[in-house]
Amino acid sequence: SQQGEEDPQALSIQEGENATMNCSYKTSINNLQWYRQNSGRGLVHLILIRSNEREKHSGRLRVTLDTSKKSSSLLITASRAADTASYFCATDAYTSGTYKYIFGTGTRLKVLA
Amino acid sequence: DAGVTQSPTHLIKTRGQQVTLRCSPKSGHDTVSWYQQALGQGPQFIFQYYEEEERQRGNFPDRFSGHQFPNYSSELNVNALLLGDSALYLCASSLRTFRGNYGYTFGSGTRLTVV
Repeated sequence: SQQGEEDPQALSIQEGENATMNCSYKTSINNLQWYRQNSGRGLVHLILIRSNEREKHSGRLRVTLDTSKKSSSLLITASRAADTASYFCATDAYTSGTYKYIFGTGTRLKVLA
Repeated sequence: DAGVTQSPTHLIKTRGQQVTLRCSPKSGHDTVSWYQQALGQGPQFIFQYYEEEERQRGNFPDRFSGHQFPNYSSELNVNALLLGDSALYLCASSLRTFRGNYGYTFGSGTRLTVV
């Protein structure tokens, strides 16, 4: 089952605009991560935010986390055509001495040149 | 420094057959997790291996089995293939002592098509 749900499912914007996608999850977490996937290939880790953090930046990426609402958002500023990809949030689940990550359903972003 | 390597890249099998997918983790990583990703969906957790044992398992039938070798590489086996098993299979590696705080390194995946 999916832990997270991304919103919107699909997003189309012009190059230079900002893109915002949201993630909601169900259970308490230790951290939340965002990944990017190009053309159905492997996922690339973008950024991790811990449960005691509210905001984190990495280059053109800004992530916020609201644990009271069990939600996170990913903002990509000044988008480029190369940002066209699917974006997934993932939350951790600790069981039997190891961590696994549960992924959401993804947001498909298309940046038009 | 090699990342996660998966083989083969693409595979076509017939219903009822068996398939083995392989994964070599990133150098220094000791934990391997396998995911199934259907078209247009998010990755679904299959199972995770550490110290050559299955540590966690998702909601997948026993037709899905795995193995981890002493060099930390791993195999995913699927028996009695169904059309619904067609998907991208992703391998991810991590270091257990990171306690989940540094995310996964993913391979490029194996695209399995069952006909």
